[in-house]
Amino acid sequence: DARVTQTPRHKVTEMGQEVTMRCQPILGHNTVFWYRQTMMQGLELLAYFRNRAPLDDSGMPKDRFSAEMPDATLATLKIQPSEPRDSAVYFCASGLDPGQGPLSSYNSPLHFGNGTRLTVT
Amino acid sequence: SQQGEEDPQALSIQEGENATMNCSYKTSINNLQWYRQNSGRGLVHLILIRSNEREKHSGRLRVTLDTSKKSSSLLITASRAADTASYFCAQNYGGSQGNLIFGKGTKLSVKP
Repeated sequence: DARVTQTPRHKVTEMGQEVTMRCQPILGHNTVFWYRQTMMQGLELLAYFRNRAPLDDSGMPKDRFSAEMPDATLATLKIQPSEPRDSAVYFCASGLDPGQGPLSSYNSPLHFGNGTRLTVT
Repeated sequence: SQQGEEDPQALSIQEGENATMNCSYKTSINNLQWYRQNSGRGLVHLILIRSNEREKHSGRLRVTLDTSKKSSSLLITASRAADTASYFCAQNYGGSQGNLIFGKGTKLSVKP
């Protein structure tokens, strides 16, 4: 049963420290998303990759957040320096985007990992 | 913000009853998707309804879409305790998976 794998599941760190979250998308998927979930804001899209290229990271605070895909099997989200307001659950999701046409990507579902719960004290 | 809204925010019912959750959105969509999230887990896709469809079924799930009212509903029939979870609707606004906006969800509690 293919699934998106995220590590670590939990992370507690002090303000100012660097945090790196990792995601292994489902093999064969070519889109990867990073979402942040909080009670107040719900699910917010932070970054979106297609074929490892960043397509949209407008939801991400650029001064401290960075997202990369070193290869097709690994996506990373880094926060440096971390702040208490970054405390949230961070989800990675992957999907298959075949491009334009009748089987267009927007009619394909996303597959989520179980998230990394980040607490910054 | 294009974020849609689910209604109610929380719903508590007895096992065997039907559960109805509603979702409203703001602008034209390509499709609307429903996801489920169990406590401490990621979201799981349940059903997708395209803008030219009005109703869709999957097992005990029934989704309707009214584009004139910009609203959708998710009906779970004969609910079970295992259906206890948060349910989210997500609207796709453009020709890419990235244009998927999630609401804040309905927390469903099914009591045995």
